[in-house]
Amino acid sequence: DAGVIQSPRHEVTEMGQEVTLRCKLISGHNSLFWYRQTMMRGLELLIYFNNNVPIDDSGMPEDRFSAKMPNASFSTLKIQPSEPRDSAVYFCASSLKRKGETQYFGPGTRLLVL
Amino acid sequence: AQTVTQSQPEMSVQEAETVTLSCTYDTSESDYYLFWYKQPPSRQMILVIRQEAYKQQNATENRFSVNFQKAAKSFSLKISDSQLGDAAMYFCALSLNQGGKLIFGQGTELSVKP
Repeated sequence: DAGVIQSPRHEVTEMGQEVTLRCKLISGHNSLFWYRQTMMRGLELLIYFNNNVPIDDSGMPEDRFSAKMPNASFSTLKIQPSEPRDSAVYFCASSLKRKGETQYFGPGTRLLVL
Repeated sequence: AQTVTQSQPEMSVQEAETVTLSCTYDTSESDYYLFWYKQPPSRQMILVIRQEAYKQQNATENRFSVNFQKAAKSFSLKISDSQLGDAAMYFCALSLNQGGKLIFGQGTELSVKP
Protein backbone atom coordinates (compact mmCIF):
# COMPACT_ATOMS: atom_id res chain seq x y z
CA ASP A 1 0.00 0.00 0.00
CA ALA A 2 1.29 3.48 -0.80
CA GLY A 3 2.38 5.68 2.07
CA VAL A 4 1.38 9.27 2.68
CA ILE A 5 1.83 11.27 -0.52
CA GLN A 6 2.72 14.95 -0.53
CA SER A 7 3.04 17.37 -3.40
CA PRO A 8 4.94 19.31 -4.43
CA ARG A 9 8.17 18.06 -2.91
CA HIS A 10 9.83 21.44 -3.41
CA GLU A 11 8.30 24.85 -3.86
CA VAL A 12 10.04 28.16 -4.45
CA THR A 13 7.85 31.23 -4.57
CA GLU A 14 8.00 34.95 -4.09
CA MET A 15 6.69 36.82 -1.12
CA GLY A 16 3.02 37.62 -1.48
CA GLN A 17 2.17 34.64 -3.66
CA GLU A 18 -0.34 31.95 -2.73
CA VAL A 19 1.06 28.52 -1.93
CA THR A 20 -0.95 25.29 -1.78
CA LEU A 21 0.49 22.11 -0.31
CA ARG A 22 -1.29 18.81 -0.87
CA CYS A 23 -1.49 15.57 1.05
CA LYS A 24 -3.05 12.17 0.38
CA LEU A 25 -3.65 9.97 3.41
CA ILE A 26 -2.91 6.28 3.66
CA SER A 27 -6.01 4.35 2.63
CA GLY A 28 -8.19 3.58 5.67
CA HIS A 29 -6.66 6.23 7.90
CA ASN A 30 -9.00 8.82 9.34
CA SER A 31 -6.72 11.23 11.21
CA LEU A 32 -4.60 13.79 9.41
CA PHE A 33 -1.89 16.00 10.89
CA TRP A 34 0.04 18.94 9.40
CA TYR A 35 3.45 19.69 10.96
CA ARG A 36 6.04 22.33 10.18
CA GLN A 37 9.79 21.89 10.73
CA THR A 38 12.18 24.81 11.08
CA MET A 39 15.62 25.17 12.59
CA MET A 40 14.39 27.68 15.13
CA ARG A 41 11.19 25.99 16.30
CA GLY A 42 11.78 22.33 15.46
CA LEU A 43 8.76 20.18 14.63
CA GLU A 44 5.45 21.70 15.57
CA LEU A 45 1.84 20.76 14.92
CA LEU A 46 -0.15 23.21 12.83
CA ILE A 47 -3.53 21.51 12.70
CA TYR A 48 -5.12 18.08 12.79
CA PHE A 49 -8.34 16.50 11.60
CA ASN A 50 -10.34 13.49 12.69
CA ASN A 51 -12.84 12.16 10.15
CA ASN A 52 -12.45 15.32 8.04
CA VAL A 53 -13.28 17.60 11.00
CA PRO A 54 -10.63 20.03 12.28
CA ILE A 55 -9.97 19.22 15.94
CA ASP A 56 -7.11 21.48 16.95
CA ASP A 57 -5.88 24.40 14.85
CA SER A 58 -4.15 26.23 17.69
CA GLY A 59 -0.81 25.79 15.95
CA MET A 60 -1.83 27.62 12.80
CA PRO A 61 0.36 30.74 12.85
CA GLU A 62 -2.14 33.29 11.66
CA ASP A 63 -5.00 33.92 9.29
CA ARG A 64 -2.72 33.58 6.32
CA PHE A 65 -2.76 29.82 6.87
CA SER A 66 -5.76 27.64 6.16
CA ALA A 67 -6.25 23.88 5.88
CA LYS A 68 -9.06 21.79 4.49
CA MET A 69 -10.09 18.19 4.03
CA PRO A 70 -12.48 18.17 1.08
CA ASN A 71 -12.78 14.39 1.37
CA ALA A 72 -11.62 11.56 3.60
CA SER A 73 -8.37 10.93 1.77
CA PHE A 74 -7.08 14.35 0.78
CA SER A 75 -6.02 17.58 2.47
CA THR A 76 -4.62 20.95 1.46
CA LEU A 77 -2.65 23.54 3.40
CA LYS A 78 -2.79 27.01 1.89
CA ILE A 79 -0.68 30.05 2.67
CA GLN A 80 -1.93 33.35 1.31
CA PRO A 81 -0.05 35.64 1.13
CA SER A 82 3.25 33.86 1.73
CA GLU A 83 6.13 35.49 3.62
CA PRO A 84 9.84 34.62 3.88
CA ARG A 85 9.35 33.45 7.49
CA ASP A 86 7.04 30.70 6.18
CA SER A 87 10.06 28.98 4.65
CA ALA A 88 10.19 25.51 6.21
CA VAL A 89 9.56 21.83 5.58
CA TYR A 90 5.88 20.98 5.86
CA PHE A 91 4.92 17.42 6.71
CA CYS A 92 1.58 15.75 6.75
CA ALA A 93 1.02 12.53 8.65
CA SER A 94 -1.90 10.15 8.88
CA SER A 95 -3.04 7.55 11.34
CA LEU A 96 -6.00 5.55 12.48
CA LYS A 97 -8.20 7.41 14.91
CA ARG A 98 -7.27 5.41 17.99
CA LYS A 99 -5.35 6.62 20.97
CA GLY A 100 -1.64 6.19 20.68
CA GLU A 101 -1.72 5.10 17.07
CA THR A 102 1.47 5.55 15.09
CA GLN A 103 1.52 8.50 12.75
CA TYR A 104 2.97 7.82 9.32
CA PHE A 105 4.65 10.79 7.72
CA GLY A 106 4.82 11.90 4.14
CA PRO A 107 8.16 12.89 2.56
CA GLY A 108 7.55 16.58 3.27
CA THR A 109 7.37 19.71 1.13
CA ARG A 110 10.34 22.04 1.31
CA LEU A 111 9.02 25.58 0.89
CA LEU A 112 11.24 28.56 0.17
CA VAL A 113 9.64 32.00 0.07
CA LEU A 114 11.91 34.65 -1.42
CA ALA B 1 1.77 22.00 29.30
CA GLN B 2 3.51 18.96 27.95
CA THR B 3 7.17 19.14 27.01
CA VAL B 4 9.80 16.80 25.59
CA THR B 5 13.49 17.46 26.12
CA GLN B 6 16.46 15.92 24.37
CA SER B 7 19.57 17.24 26.06
CA GLN B 8 22.10 15.85 23.56
CA PRO B 9 22.14 17.90 20.34
CA GLU B 10 24.80 15.59 18.86
CA MET B 11 26.08 12.11 19.55
CA SER B 12 28.69 9.97 17.88
CA VAL B 13 29.22 6.19 17.92
CA GLN B 14 31.68 3.79 16.37
CA GLU B 15 30.24 1.27 13.94
CA ALA B 16 29.16 -1.95 15.72
CA GLU B 17 29.15 -0.22 19.12
CA THR B 18 26.18 0.70 21.30
CA VAL B 19 24.84 4.19 21.87
CA THR B 20 22.08 5.58 24.08
CA LEU B 21 20.08 8.69 23.27
CA SER B 22 18.37 10.49 26.14
CA CYS B 23 14.86 11.91 26.37
CA THR B 24 12.86 13.31 29.25
CA TYR B 25 9.30 14.50 29.16
CA ASP B 26 6.77 16.21 31.33
CA THR B 27 3.04 15.58 31.48
CA SER B 28 0.44 15.38 34.21
CA GLU B 29 -1.47 12.73 32.29
CA SER B 30 -1.21 9.08 33.28
CA ASP B 31 -2.16 7.62 29.91
CA TYR B 32 0.15 8.50 27.05
CA TYR B 33 2.43 7.06 24.40
CA LEU B 34 6.05 7.67 23.56
CA PHE B 35 7.82 7.36 20.24
CA TRP B 36 11.24 7.59 18.69
CA TYR B 37 11.37 8.76 15.08
CA LYS B 38 14.41 8.77 12.82
CA GLN B 39 14.97 11.45 10.19
CA PRO B 40 17.79 10.64 7.73
CA PRO B 41 19.14 13.24 5.29
CA SER B 42 16.22 12.45 2.98
CA ARG B 43 14.03 14.20 5.63
CA GLN B 44 11.59 11.30 5.75
CA MET B 45 10.28 10.74 9.28
CA ILE B 46 10.51 7.02 10.08
CA LEU B 47 9.09 5.37 13.18
CA VAL B 48 11.77 3.55 15.16
CA ILE B 49 9.91 2.37 18.23
CA ARG B 50 6.71 2.96 20.25
CA GLN B 51 5.96 2.56 23.95
CA GLU B 52 2.65 2.58 25.80
CA ALA B 53 2.98 4.27 29.18
CA TYR B 54 0.78 1.68 30.89
CA LYS B 55 3.16 -1.11 29.94
CA GLN B 56 6.09 -1.66 32.26
CA GLN B 57 7.95 -3.80 29.77
CA ASN B 58 10.40 -1.89 27.63
CA ALA B 59 9.70 -1.98 23.90
CA THR B 60 12.26 -3.54 21.56
CA GLU B 61 12.58 -3.61 17.79
CA ASN B 62 15.55 -5.63 16.59
CA ARG B 63 18.66 -3.56 17.44
CA PHE B 64 16.59 -0.78 18.99
CA SER B 65 15.32 -0.82 22.55
CA VAL B 66 14.11 1.70 25.08
CA ASN B 67 14.63 2.24 28.77
CA PHE B 68 11.30 3.60 29.96
CA GLN B 69 11.35 4.99 33.50
CA LYS B 70 7.84 6.31 34.13
CA ALA B 71 8.47 7.75 37.58
CA ALA B 72 11.50 9.65 36.32
CA LYS B 73 9.70 10.55 33.07
CA SER B 74 12.63 9.28 31.09
CA PHE B 75 12.56 7.46 27.75
CA SER B 76 15.99 6.69 26.35
CA LEU B 77 16.75 4.87 23.10
CA LYS B 78 19.51 2.28 22.88
CA ILE B 79 20.93 1.33 19.51
CA SER B 80 23.01 -1.84 19.55
CA ASP B 81 25.51 -2.92 16.88
CA SER B 82 25.34 0.52 15.27
CA GLN B 83 25.39 0.62 11.49
CA LEU B 84 26.31 3.39 9.07
CA GLY B 85 22.66 3.58 8.04
CA ASP B 86 21.70 4.54 11.57
CA ALA B 87 23.22 7.98 11.06
CA ALA B 88 20.32 10.43 11.26
CA MET B 89 18.47 12.91 13.42
CA TYR B 90 16.48 11.15 16.12
CA PHE B 91 13.36 12.68 17.63
CA CYS B 92 11.61 11.67 20.82
CA ALA B 93 7.87 12.38 20.83
CA LEU B 94 4.95 12.27 23.26
CA SER B 95 1.32 11.61 22.41
CA LEU B 96 -1.45 12.01 24.95
CA ASN B 97 -4.56 9.88 25.19
CA GLN B 98 -6.71 12.77 24.06
CA GLY B 99 -6.04 14.34 20.71
CA GLY B 100 -3.16 12.29 19.51
CA LYS B 101 -0.92 15.07 18.30
CA LEU B 102 2.80 14.47 18.69
CA ILE B 103 4.92 16.77 20.83
CA PHE B 104 8.52 16.52 19.68
CA GLY B 105 11.85 17.05 21.36
CA GLN B 106 14.56 19.12 19.72
CA GLY B 107 16.29 16.12 18.20
CA THR B 108 19.68 14.42 18.55
CA GLU B 109 21.93 14.15 15.54
CA LEU B 110 23.67 10.79 15.54
CA SER B 111 26.80 10.18 13.50
CA VAL B 112 28.27 6.70 13.00
CA LYS B 113 31.99 6.38 12.43
CA PRO B 114 33.29 3.50 10.31
